[in-house]
Amino acid sequence: DAKTTQPTSMDCAEGRAANLPCNHSTISGNEYVYWYRQIHSQGPQYIIHGLKNNETNEMASLIITEDRKSSTLILPHATLRDTAVYYCIVRVATGNQGGKLIFGQGTELSVKP
Amino acid sequence: GAGVSQSPSNKVTEKGKDVELRCDPISGHTALYWYRQSLGQGLEFLIYFQGNSAPDKSGLPSDRFSAERTGGSVSTLTIQRTQQEDSAVYLCASSRQLGTGYGYTFGSGTRLTVV
Repeated sequence: DAKTTQPTSMDCAEGRAANLPCNHSTISGNEYVYWYRQIHSQGPQYIIHGLKNNETNEMASLIITEDRKSSTLILPHATLRDTAVYYCIVRVATGNQGGKLIFGQGTELSVKP
Repeated sequence: GAGVSQSPSNKVTEKGKDVELRCDPISGHTALYWYRQSLGQGLEFLIYFQGNSAPDKSGLPSDRFSAERTGGSVSTLTIQRTQQEDSAVYLCASSRQLGTGYGYTFGSGTRLTVV
C-alpha cells in the first residue's frame, strides 16, 4: 500500500502558484519523498525528490516539514500544460531495500485559464 | 536511445492468447521496472530488475505473468492465456542505478486490450 495521502483533486488558476500537499506520517528516516506527474495518456514524469531539506529545480520546489511527516510540491507559475495527476511517493533510496516506487491515487490538478 | 522505448504501442489480442511486450531502457540504466495501469486507476508495480541480482517479482499478479531481461538491457513481459482483466497500459521505466535517488524515466507504455 502507498504510504502517502493526497487530496483527490485540486484546481489552480493559470499563472498562480499551485501548492500540492502530501501527508506521509509514517515515513522512516531513510526514506525520500518523490514527486511524479502523469499527463493524460503519457508515462509518469519525474519532478523532484528530497530527504530533509527543501529542494528546488527548474520544474518545482519541494518543501518538507521539519518532522518530515508532510510535504508540499510547489509549481510557482502554473500553466495549462501542468494539468496532470501528481503522485507523492516515499521510497528508500539506498541499498537493496529500495527499488520499486509504490504509487497511490495522486492528486488530479486542473489548471484553469 | 534518448528515452525508454516500448513496443508495440497498442496490442489487441483474443482472450486465451499469449502476448509479449518489449521494453528498451535508456542505455546505461541498470535498473528496469514494469508497472501496469488499468483504466482510471493508479500505477501497479509488477517487477523490477537490477543488474545481475535476482528480480523482485513481488508485484506479478499471477503465474501467467513473467518477465525477462536479457544481457542487462532489453526486457520482455510475457502474459500467458490472457484474460480480459489483463487489459491495461503496461509501463516500463529505467533508472541509472538502484538506490541512488535518481528518478525513473518512463516509456509511453503499451496499451493492451484483451477481447
